[in-house]
Amino acid sequence: SQQGEEDPQALSIQEGENATMNCSYKTSINNLQWYRQNSGRGLVHLILIRSNEREKHSGRLRVTLDTSKKSSSLLITASRAADTASYFCATAPFSGGYNKLIFGAGTRLAVHP
Amino acid sequence: DVKVTQSSRYLVKRTGEKVFLECVQDMDHENMFWYRQDPGLGLRLIYFSYDVKMKEKGDIPEGYSVSREKKERFSLILESASTNQTSMYLCASRRDSQETQYFGPGTRLLVL
Repeated sequence: SQQGEEDPQALSIQEGENATMNCSYKTSINNLQWYRQNSGRGLVHLILIRSNEREKHSGRLRVTLDTSKKSSSLLITASRAADTASYFCATAPFSGGYNKLIFGAGTRLAVHP
Repeated sequence: DVKVTQSSRYLVKRTGEKVFLECVQDMDHENMFWYRQDPGLGLRLIYFSYDVKMKEKGDIPEGYSVSREKKERFSLILESASTNQTSMYLCASRRDSQETQYFGPGTRLLVL
């Protein structure tokens, strides 16, 4: 079952612009995580936000979580060509423990020099 | 740094063959996972293991089995490969005390 759904499916921007990706989910969660995947490679964890947090920052990344709307957003500021990748949200369902992350289909980000 | 390695980056097999995908992690993580990734579907959990010789089904276990004889190694087995098992397979691991997963580079499997 697919819990997280990212929006948009694809995003194309210029270097220096900000990129915003959204994720919606269906059930109560323990936490929500964002992962990045370079083309044809494995996923790399970016940031985790817990259900009792509303906003979190890590370098150029800013994540927000709205549990009332069951949604999250990932903002990448001052994007670089090296940020070109697919970005996935993953939710840890409240009843499922941390071994049953549910991933969305991802947002493909292209940053043009 | 956590390192998760997978035995092959690319694999081509024929329908009906038995296929073994191997995953090794070097950080003594208790939990290990196998996912498959298909365009438009994201990652789907096939099986996971929370201890040696222990396993649990994920969302799509049909057609797959797993083996975890040693803590660092988790194998995914396709008993009789079929064309609809053509996919990218990703292994991951997680320490009990952490909530994040660490992924291997993936194995792209083509079943002809």
